[in-house]
Amino acid sequence: QVQLQESGPGLVKPSGTLSLTCGVSGGSIASVSTSGWWSWVRQPPGKGLEWIGEIYHSGSTHYNPSLHSRVTISVDKSENQFSLELTSVTAADTAVYYCGGNGHYSLDHWGQGTLVTVSS
Amino acid sequence: EIVLTQSPGTLSLSPGERATLSCRASQSVSSTYFAWYQQKPGQAPRLLIYGATSRATGVPDRFSGTGSGTDFTLTISRLEPEDFAVYYCQQYGSSPLYTFGQGTKLEIK
Repeated sequence: QVQLQESGPGLVKPSGTLSLTCGVSGGSIASVSTSGWWSWVRQPPGKGLEWIGEIYHSGSTHYNPSLHSRVTISVDKSENQFSLELTSVTAADTAVYYCGGNGHYSLDHWGQGTLVTVSS
Repeated sequence: EIVLTQSPGTLSLSPGERATLSCRASQSVSSTYFAWYQQKPGQAPRLLIYGATSRATGVPDRFSGTGSGTDFTLTISRLEPEDFAVYYCQQYGSSPLYTFGQGTKLEIK
């Protein structure tokens, strides 16, 4: 059973960098996801879901064009985790951030989510 | 970008009733690339349906998905108290790779 856990600061200052990590348990990050791809999704308070980007266990990435210039997703197979960095954050980046495991063109597994607030 | 529009925004029904939730895409979407999720307050979304019609592991058979092209439907045959939640549709394949509908809130009447 795949389990995902987000970790990182809950408060980031405006213009700073949001950094989160997603730990994967239940198997190797290279094999436990149906597709081998892992995603980040965010949800502003009271609003809908926005896909941020995905990474393959080998390191290939795809990003949402709306965030592409500010986003980096990386993977650390030795630690069985993948990470998100979002630069130049503003209040509009305040959201619950979820990590997920991709399946058949869907997000099969989700972490519990972590609220990140952008505020001085 | 493919825009997914869900209707209604809010659906008020009683336990035991049948729920029909709709999702319309601005362009045709392959059924293989279409999914539905359930989200309860304070929880992460949960995959219900993938490939437009296939139930995810552990999803009760009262949940069913149909549709093709631009029109997709999630049906809950007989509502249980735990089914009242927000439901999202999702497509894969058009940039951005994943997009979601704005959600339908299913509330107790």
